[in-house]
Parts: sequence; structure tokens; C-alpha cells
Amino acid sequence: NAGVTQTPKFQVLKTGQSMTLQCAQDMNHEYMSWYRQDPGMGLRLIHYSVGAGITDQGEVPNGYNVSRSTTEDFPLRLLSAAPSQTSVYFCASTTAGNEQFFGPGTRLTVL
Amino acid sequence: TQLLEQSPQFLSIQEGENLTVYCNSSSVFSSLQWYRQEPGEGPVLLVTVVTGGEVKKLKRLTFQFGDARKDSSLHITAAQPGDTGLYLCAGIASGSRLTFGEGTQLTVNP
Repeated sequence: NAGVTQTPKFQVLKTGQSMTLQCAQDMNHEYMSWYRQDPGMGLRLIHYSVGAGITDQGEVPNGYNVSRSTTEDFPLRLLSAAPSQTSVYFCASTTAGNEQFFGPGTRLTVL
Repeated sequence: TQLLEQSPQFLSIQEGENLTVYCNSSSVFSSLQWYRQEPGEGPVLLVTVVTGGEVKKLKRLTFQFGDARKDSSLHITAAQPGDTGLYLCAGIASGSRLTFGEGTQLTVNP
């Protein structure tokens, strides 16, 4: 099992550009989520999904969209990047017992 | 939103010393987790505690859940350089999602 994979590992965008952060898991977990991690602020939940076709907003959803067409994939889209979205983004896949498995992260810089 | 406060935020110690990291909240949690994160990687789950007063041990790491299920601590005995990393606590309140603390950055110097 590869666990949770994320691509790209690094990305630099200009303000106003859009992009999609990819996340995939091969553990057949229903629950997946996206977090951003900023210094001194821990991990903050952006969006989450409890299964294919079902998504919901987390703590900081503005400026981000998600979709969940399959159990395996949970992409995060930045519609129009802003410098405030410079962060490290983590995707997580969660077991029924609330054990979260995190991907390696995507480090995004918005200029 | 349930808030989790971790202390200290930064900790730098010498190899062989003992340390304790605290995770406190005014909210009651049905369970609490501790993660360790190394540079350039995602957090990795260390332990989940679910019962008030519960103590779990993982080699030199001892985790305790407060009796009222509002706080937790992580104690490391005889710290080693390999223990260096960011330690995160995360709590689940009944019917809610996981909430993370800000983290404690631990550096163990050889």
C-alpha cells in the first residue's frame, strides 16, 4: 500500500492563478480531509468528505473547492490564488476508528 | 470551535533529560490523539486516549488523558535526538471533527 499520496510536492503560483492539488489513498477509507498548516496555528481543516459524492466545509474553506468522485481521490482546487494561501497543505485519510493517515504535504507559495 | 492549547510552544533540551508537553482545553473531548511530525513530512499518529484518567505508554513516551477529559500530557523519559520533532495533540468532541493544537516543537541536542 502506498498510503496517502500528494502531488505536487512543491508549487509556486502567481496571484490570481488557479491550480489543483492532488490527493489519493489506496486504503479504501471513506473519510478524507484537507488541512493547511501555518506557523503557530497548527493544522486547520479546509474541507472534508465522508464518502464519494459527499463533501462539506471545514474551518477555513474560503478560496478552495473540493470534489469526491471516487473513494480514492480527493482533489483540492484553488480558484484564484492569493498570497494568504501560501502554506503547507496536507491531505488525510481516516479509518472508521478516527486514525488519520497524512500525506507528505504540498508546499505552496503564492507570489 | 473547541480550542486546544499546547505548552510549551518550543522546547530545547539535552539528550538524556526528561520533559513533559501539555495539551489543555475548556472543552470535553471524547478522545484525544497525539501526533509527531518530522520536517518535510506529514504528522504520524502516536496514540489515541479515550477514557478519563487513561495512561498509555509507548517505549519512553507516556501519555495521560485527564480525569475530566479536557486535558492531556505527553512525558518523554531520557530524551534522544531521534525524538526531535513537532508534537501535535488533537481532540474529538462528541459529534464534532478533529481539532488540532498549535504544536510543541521539541529539539533534543546530542
